[in-house]
Amino acid sequence: EVQLVQSGAEVKKPGESLKISCKGSAHSFTSYWLAWVRQMPGKGLEWMGIIYPGDSDTRFSPSFQGQVTISADKSISTAYLQWSSLKDSDSAMYYCARLSDSGIYRSPFDIWGQGTMVTVSS
Amino acid sequence: EIVLTQSPGTLSLSPGERATLSCRASQSVSSSYLAWYQQKPGQAPRLLIYGASSRATGIPDRFSGSGSGTDFTLTISRLEPEDFAVYYCQQYGSSPYTFGPGTKVDIK
Repeated sequence: EVQLVQSGAEVKKPGESLKISCKGSAHSFTSYWLAWVRQMPGKGLEWMGIIYPGDSDTRFSPSFQGQVTISADKSISTAYLQWSSLKDSDSAMYYCARLSDSGIYRSPFDIWGQGTMVTVSS
Repeated sequence: EIVLTQSPGTLSLSPGERATLSCRASQSVSSSYLAWYQQKPGQAPRLLIYGASSRATGIPDRFSGSGSGTDFTLTISRLEPEDFAVYYCQQYGSSPYTFGPGTKVDIK
């Protein structure tokens, strides 16, 4: 069974940097696009961007372009979401999710990680 | 960017009743690249429907999707207790892959 396992909850101060991770359990990790989705407290889902771990091709939502970095290390089947300088407004749950069709970025999200809660507070 | 609008915001129904949820797009969703997700409190979303009308693996047949172009519908034929949750539509035909704001189905 394919699973995505995310890193644990984080509590940070404004201005600090952070990198959270999403590890895939299957050897086919590099063949599927992977998305990051933000959910602010009590709010809906926001698509941040996607990455293809096979070659690190990345696409961003304009709302998140330049605000975060998405990367992957295919040798360890892990994708990352990174901030260089956190703001209070980055406090949210962050999910990674696999796009269902191998190599196809126009695909729904069929497997989700459990989420990583990020709290930014002074 | 394609903006998705969902209605109603909240749907109050009893177990056994039929639920009809609407998702409207600001422009046509290409090739019916429209998905529906269910999210329960404290859980990650779960894919229910993709391609506007295809059920994802393991999804009961009381869930069905329909529509094309700019108007899409998720129908739950008879609500089970575990179906009370928030439902989101998402278009994945045009980047950014936007989500609707969600419809909460709660117990009347």
